Parts: sequence; C-alpha cells; structure tokens
Amino acid sequence: ETGVTQTPRHLVMGMTNKKSLKCEQHLGHNAMYWYKQSAKKPLELMFVYNFKEQTENNSVPSRFSPECPNSSHLFLHLHTLQPEDSALYLCASATGFMSETQYFGPGTRLLVL
Amino acid sequence: EDQVTQSPEALRLQEGESSSLNCSYTVSGLRGLFWYRQDPGKGPEFLFTLYSAGEEKEKERLKATLTKKESFLHITAPKPEDSATYLCAVQAGNTPLVFGKGTRLSVIA
Repeated sequence: ETGVTQTPRHLVMGMTNKKSLKCEQHLGHNAMYWYKQSAKKPLELMFVYNFKEQTENNSVPSRFSPECPNSSHLFLHLHTLQPEDSALYLCASATGFMSETQYFGPGTRLLVL
Repeated sequence: EDQVTQSPEALRLQEGESSSLNCSYTVSGLRGLFWYRQDPGKGPEFLFTLYSAGEEKEKERLKATLTKKESFLHITAPKPEDSATYLCAVQAGNTPLVFGKGTRLSVIA
C-alpha cells in the first residue's frame, strides 16, 4: 500500500448505529487530519493530530470522536449521527503540523439514514 | 476572517479551448497557496504550491500563477481527461488550510 488509504470506501448507517472510519498513511508523516466534504461547500477541517496529539478540534459535535493511536493511523468513531452528517469524509497527512502540502486519501462516502 | 473564493463555479470547455480558473483570497501573512485536483468520488490530488507573488509553476497543460490577491490556474489546450474539480487552498500564519468551494471543469471532445 502506498500513500493514504481509507476504509471503508462506502458506509450506510442508521442514526442509532456506531461505526468507525479508518485511515492509514504510508508516507512517514507526523500530522494527520480529518475533513468533511459536503456538496457545494468547501472542505471543512474537523480534527488535526500532530505526533499523536490532538491540536485542532473545529467545534465538531461530540457524536464524532477521533482516535490517533500512532502517527500512521487515524480513526473517526461515529455514533448517533444525523442525516445532515452524510458526506465524504477525507483523511489527509502531512510532514508536520501546519506544514505545507497535505496528501489526501480517497475518502469514505457516508450515508446516514 | 480568512476567505478563499473560486470562480467560476463551473466551466465547460471544448477540447483545445484554453482558459483560466481564478482563486482570490484575503488572508494575513500568506504562507502558501495550494492547488488540488479532485476527481468524482476521490480525494484531492496535490498539484502545486505557490509561496510568493510573481511565482509560477507548470505541470503538463497546467500553469499556476500568484499575485498578492489571487491565483490563476491556466489550462492550455485542455483534453477531456482534464475534467475534474479544481480546489484552491491558502495557509496563513499558523492556521490550518482554508479551502475554496472549487471550480468544476468539464472538457468536451
């Protein structure tokens, strides 16, 4: 595997379900990011981790819970989501916190029913 | 508040018809301006980083330029495979990237 991978690629869940999104980067980077991409809106930064420590939390509802066990893996735990949470969830990594180029994974397309 | 505005929202070109996409920004202390390409159902793919006014970068049919207020992505003699959404993002100070909404480009054979 190379670059940034995300699983699953597609997810359908009910509002009472609990699920997790997984991201893995094979680039030796130290910073990892979660973004939400909705139609007609710019990418919205959700969380940033630098060396496994959370450095940004952009007022994200508590029904989204991130976890970063090491610099290569990032999870987004989902519970009691709302239909408006349906979106493409993108993971990205970069050399360091706030450093320049971020490299994105293919995303997880989430549908909340 | 940092702002990034991309125009047009959508652009339809004939194959070979050159054009430009615009990204205007209002930030304090620009550290870098980034262009990404995003195909449907995929994550953004990095294209260019520009750091200072007057800088230019090229890759195949794409050329990115930067002024103090905006950036242009020039597409010369586009092909259908250039069809995608092009995203612009800026980084200022120690703040995270701020993205624009993107320009959806369609190149018709």
